[in-house]
Amino acid sequence: SQELEQSPQSLIVQEGKNLTINCTSSKTLYGLYWYKQKYGEGLIFLMMLQKGGEEKSHEKITAKLDEKKQQSSLHITASQPSHAGIYLCGADSGTYKYIFGTGTRLKVLA
Amino acid sequence: AAGVIQSPRHLIKEKRETATLKCYPIPRHDTVYWYQQGPGQDPQFLISFYEKMQSDKGSIPDRFSAQQFSDYHSELNMSSLELGDSALYFCASSLGVRDNEQFFGPGTRLTVL
Repeated sequence: SQELEQSPQSLIVQEGKNLTINCTSSKTLYGLYWYKQKYGEGLIFLMMLQKGGEEKSHEKITAKLDEKKQQSSLHITASQPSHAGIYLCGADSGTYKYIFGTGTRLKVLA
Repeated sequence: AAGVIQSPRHLIKEKRETATLKCYPIPRHDTVYWYQQGPGQDPQFLISFYEKMQSDKGSIPDRFSAQQFSDYHSELNMSSLELGDSALYFCASSLGVRDNEQFFGPGTRLTVL
């Protein structure tokens, strides 16, 4: 079965610093999604990547899917306390099954 | 814009009781997904429906059942509740099943005492 591994598991950065979260799949990705979850709240869709090499940006968050479609990175530029939360990558494993990564817990210090 | 609606938002039940969670997808969305997120855990996919038919099944216990109705809303029925069923239950909807953005509801927090 397909698995998604995220790294790092947790991250504490000073406000204004850049950071990167990685999501590695054990199999080829048909679609890779990035979500953010504030502690105890619902999931917020950030971006969806489908094509190898695809890169999307939203405000200060950029996500990229590598050419082999087995790894994605999420980069936050000039982090702010509002970026704090849990970042999850999710994927369609190809048989209508949706799986999530192990999550990265981000804390931004003001 | 209308979002995914879940009801109730909070639910407290005793062990062995039953619970029904409801999900109202975004208008015109034909696909509904259910997820369970235990305390401190990542979301786990339970089940999905496309055009009122079950499209896939994940780690849904046999004590749970779900269906999608003609108006596309979905209900998750949980029987013989156990303490371990305490979790946040998310519903998401999309248009079609593949490669389409899922929009998540706010979740229903179920506490089993």
